[in-house]
Amino acid sequence: EDQVTQSPEALRLQEGESSSLNCSYTVSGLRGLFWYRQDPGKGPEFLFTLYSAGEEKEKERLKATLTKKESFLHITAPKPEDSATYLCAVQAQAGTALIFGKGTTLSVSS
Amino acid sequence: EAGVTQFPSHSVIEKGQTVTLRCDPISGHDNLYWYRRVMGKEIKFLLHFVKESKQDESGMPNNRFLAERTGGTYSTLKVQPAELEDSGVYFCASSQDLRMSSYNEQFFGPGTRLTVL
Repeated sequence: EDQVTQSPEALRLQEGESSSLNCSYTVSGLRGLFWYRQDPGKGPEFLFTLYSAGEEKEKERLKATLTKKESFLHITAPKPEDSATYLCAVQAQAGTALIFGKGTTLSVSS
Repeated sequence: EAGVTQFPSHSVIEKGQTVTLRCDPISGHDNLYWYRRVMGKEIKFLLHFVKESKQDESGMPNNRFLAERTGGTYSTLKVQPAELEDSGVYFCASSQDLRMSSYNEQFFGPGTRLTVL
């Protein structure tokens, strides 16, 4: 069964304190791995797509990496405005549906 | 460019009533998806349209849910009759062209929060 597990469930950081979020997955042939950011009361906002092991993508203070079993979202020197829930999702080769994890809720305090 | 829009933003109905949710995808996106998040659970896929055709409806929970996409533009999701377990946030997403990986990203709307009392 295709599955996504995110850890930790919640993460509290001080402004400037770098850390990483983990997304472990099992899928019958990976078509793509997606990272989204979700703010309270809003829909998921697209951040990155990764397609193959070894691939990396960056956007401002965020960097996503991919291996054959997991993905990491590295947050460098976070700011309070980075506080949100970060969602990881995979898409299998055979389908188009995104399979989501439960998310990691990040809180960054100044 | 306008993003995915959904209407209404909130809906509160009694058990047994009917509710219709609407989604307008990004202009030019042939692919439209419905997802649902029940409290405490992850977002789960409901179905996928390519233009006006249902490509995959494997996630639809039962026959009380009916999705349509007339003319390949906006889509509606009707729940009839609504049950308590249907409460949750219903998201719509759209993507451009699945044949090209760079156009595979799904862009989400703000969601409709449905409460069934």
